[in-house]
Amino acid sequence: EPEVTQTPSHQVTQMGQEVILRCVPISNHLYFYWYRQILGQKVEFLVSFYNNEISEKSEIFDDQFSVERPDGSNFTLKIRSTKLEDSAMYFCASSGQGAYQPQHFGDGTRLSIL
Amino acid sequence: ELKVEQNPLFLSMQEGKNYTIYCNYSTTSDRLYWYRQDPGKSLESLFVLLSNGAVKQEGRLMASLDTKARLSTLHITAAVHDLSATYFCAVDDNAGNMLTFGGGTRLMVKP
Repeated sequence: EPEVTQTPSHQVTQMGQEVILRCVPISNHLYFYWYRQILGQKVEFLVSFYNNEISEKSEIFDDQFSVERPDGSNFTLKIRSTKLEDSAMYFCASSGQGAYQPQHFGDGTRLSIL
Repeated sequence: ELKVEQNPLFLSMQEGKNYTIYCNYSTTSDRLYWYRQDPGKSLESLFVLLSNGAVKQEGRLMASLDTKARLSTLHITAAVHDLSATYFCAVDDNAGNMLTFGGGTRLMVKP
């Protein structure tokens, strides 16, 4: 069964540094998403992306964050000038064309800011 | 702002017992999803509920949706240890742009 793949599985970064989290969505999917989950808490929406542009973003997704689809397969989340509170599990998801398709999630990248 | 609340947040039950997890949400939506998450793992899609009165069943789990009451339930029948996980409900914004998740229900099934 097709999967959403994320790399790296774990990223440790010094506070203030930039990180790029990578995702390869399911190949025929058109809608892409990033969510985060702080340890022990609920999953929070960050951003959705369709047709090469952001379609929705949350209050969390401020100027520190950006997304990009640099080629036909990758979907990246960049976090500039990381802060301690950015430490979380970041999930990428994708969904297919057609009404009401469920979002399929990757295994996540655990981001630890030191 | 859409709010999604689940209860209970934690559920410990014996094998063979039945129980129901509740998911309430605050605004009109007719798309609700249930996900399962094992510790340290990703979110696995369990059910997609798309209309009022929708009922879906898979094995020992059954999910239903009442859009008028803004309530979904996940019913567990004759629980087994393998069902131990955290279960999340999530509500769509009706535009497919984002999911708002509930706080999750951590289920532990004891032998």
